[in-house]
Amino acid sequence: KAGVTQTPRYLIKTRGQQVTLSCSPISGHRSVSWYQQTPGQGLQFLFEYFSETQRNKGNFPGRFSGRQFSNSRSEMNVSTLELGDSALYLCASSSGGSGSNDEQYFGPGTRLTVT
Amino acid sequence: AQKITQTQPGMFVQEKEAVTLDCTYDTSDPSYGLFWYKQPSSGEMIFLIYQGSYDQQNATEGRYSLNFQKARKSANLVISASQLGDSAMYFCAMREGGRGSTLGRLYFGRGTQLTVWP
Repeated sequence: KAGVTQTPRYLIKTRGQQVTLSCSPISGHRSVSWYQQTPGQGLQFLFEYFSETQRNKGNFPGRFSGRQFSNSRSEMNVSTLELGDSALYLCASSSGGSGSNDEQYFGPGTRLTVT
Repeated sequence: AQKITQTQPGMFVQEKEAVTLDCTYDTSDPSYGLFWYKQPSSGEMIFLIYQGSYDQQNATEGRYSLNFQKARKSANLVISASQLGDSAMYFCAMREGGRGSTLGRLYFGRGTQLTVWP
């Protein structure tokens, strides 16, 4: 069974630009969550999508958005990039069940550098 | 208040020895799950072990075991017979169960950098 894939793996952008990151979950998984990881703030939850609907959202500005397609693949978009958006962006997939034991499996991440 | 606290920024252990990584958590939800992940320098988060709040026994997965003390709200990871390949960052995380806005969200600690030396 293929794992979670994220593209691209590395990205360099300039301040003010926008970027789109993609995540393909494990086959059969309907939930995709996104996290931002930085040395200063650690791992922070961005949002979760389940069956094409945003089910949960973290405390990030509106420049961060996402969507999920009918095949459960998800994209996140960051507009008007700032230097502080440089981070490792991790995507996690799970079955999306309501129990607390719904394991999340992570992709390799996309490392975004904003210059 | 922090949902997950990992008080050890770094730990060192000699190969073949056991090591315990500390994790305490804070929640008022009676249903929750606790997870440990390993993150090598490559960046990928690797799931290691899970413990549910209603589980009567401590979880074990190969060389990994979770020392779950519910009353103390602690979920320490024990790695037995450490190997050089265990050197990585280790994160404790929690998911609160049931309905509500936190569904699907994992709360992470700041991590513990484990170094295994020969």
